[in-house]
Amino acid sequence: DIQMTQSPSTLSASVGDRVTITCRASQSISSWLAWYQQKPGKAPKLLIYQASSLESGVPSRFSGSGSGTEFTLTISTLQPDDFATYYCQQHNSYPLTFGGGTKVEIK
Amino acid sequence: EVQLVESGGGLVQPGGSLRLSCAASGFTFSDHYMDWVRQAPGKGLEWVGRTRNKVNSYTTEYAASVKGRFTISRDDSKNSLYLQMNSLKSEDTAVYYCASSRPSRGRYYMDVWGKGTTVTVSS
Repeated sequence: DIQMTQSPSTLSASVGDRVTITCRASQSISSWLAWYQQKPGKAPKLLIYQASSLESGVPSRFSGSGSGTEFTLTISTLQPDDFATYYCQQHNSYPLTFGGGTKVEIK
Repeated sequence: EVQLVESGGGLVQPGGSLRLSCAASGFTFSDHYMDWVRQAPGKGLEWVGRTRNKVNSYTTEYAASVKGRFTISRDDSKNSLYLQMNSLKSEDTAVYYCASSRPSRGRYYMDVWGKGTTVTVSS
């Protein structure tokens, strides 16, 4: 199974900050990576697919990059609505696997 | 509007069974792969399994933790997805989400999610 490791697990930031979350795969997954945002009590929401493709309707302050085993999700200017938990997920091979999540908290 | 609505969750004793349903609307259900994902209380997301579409013979994939106990099926005529859960254990306690998956260059990723239904396994 491909293990997905996110860092940090918790991130404290202020509105207006630039935020970067890292996701590492235990083996190469090419660009088959998605990023999701989840708020408490809500379903996950797709932000990025295929490592860097922005889902329709998602604000352009979100961007993704990387390939192989190293990936990043960047929020260019953190907004109040962005405080949430973020998950990466590989869709290269079965079983599909998620990272452990990164909680973005208010500093 | 694309919508997925799960139902069928509840309290069940260890060793028992439960069948979850997911009603889809607003998109061509039969074209999509469909997934189940769960989230234990206070924990992260765990993929449960997937059913492919008719073109791909409705074949299925499962996580090792549920293989042999859970069965995913679908009824395209009813735009519905199902998860039959048998031999339930306390560690199956979670919110269960259904998700539709769409292709990107041959790989499918989960783009739309339901709000989830809660399954509690306890005596």
